[in-house]
Amino acid sequence: DAGITQSPRHKVTETGTPVTLRCHQTENHRYMYWYRQDPGHGLRLIHYSYGVKDTDKGEVSDGYSVSRSKTEDFLLTLESATSSQTSVYFCASSIAGGDTQYFGPGTRLTVL
Amino acid sequence: AQSVTQLDSQVPVFEEAPVELRCNYSSSVSVYLFWYVQYPNQGLQLLLKYLSGSTLVKGINGFEAEFNKSQTSFHLRKPSVHISDTAEYFCAVSDRGTYKYIFGTGTRLKVLA
Repeated sequence: DAGITQSPRHKVTETGTPVTLRCHQTENHRYMYWYRQDPGHGLRLIHYSYGVKDTDKGEVSDGYSVSRSKTEDFLLTLESATSSQTSVYFCASSIAGGDTQYFGPGTRLTVL
Repeated sequence: AQSVTQLDSQVPVFEEAPVELRCNYSSSVSVYLFWYVQYPNQGLQLLLKYLSGSTLVKGINGFEAEFNKSQTSFHLRKPSVHISDTAEYFCAVSDRGTYKYIFGTGTRLKVLA
């Protein structure tokens, strides 16, 4: 299995504060993804990266930004957290676009 | 637009009974197809995938799926389930041209003793 870690694993924050979630992979995968998982919605893509400094928006990107300065790290930032961003966030990586994605353990974020 | 439909949000089944989890997709182009499993409080992991070749694909833990191009389906089956198969199962489709990846909303399989 690909080595993908996420930090923190749990976070509680207040509305209006910025939050950064980190994803780290040790497999030298080119592609990395951020998803949110909510009941009844499955996984929805927030942003993805197809290389260092190359990122693009997914279907639910409003209120989120990402950065990828190194192959192994992909950061997700909530610029000003809102209660609607309470969710479980998953990072994933893949060798090639469209192929198997390897997932991290998730970060449970609660915005009060 | 590409989409994935998992009609059954929950499927209860008794231990040692067979199970089928349904997945239908809509796409005007060639696709890759995947099934992932998510155990409680964990990330998703790959069960099996169809890229090309034989339409019957075997995966881990005794699961298999059949790609049916005419019905645009990729149903997941297991002939005899165990308690440990209790989990949520996600079907996913990726477009061979754009590599756009879409997940279904998931089916929660509950195996009863």
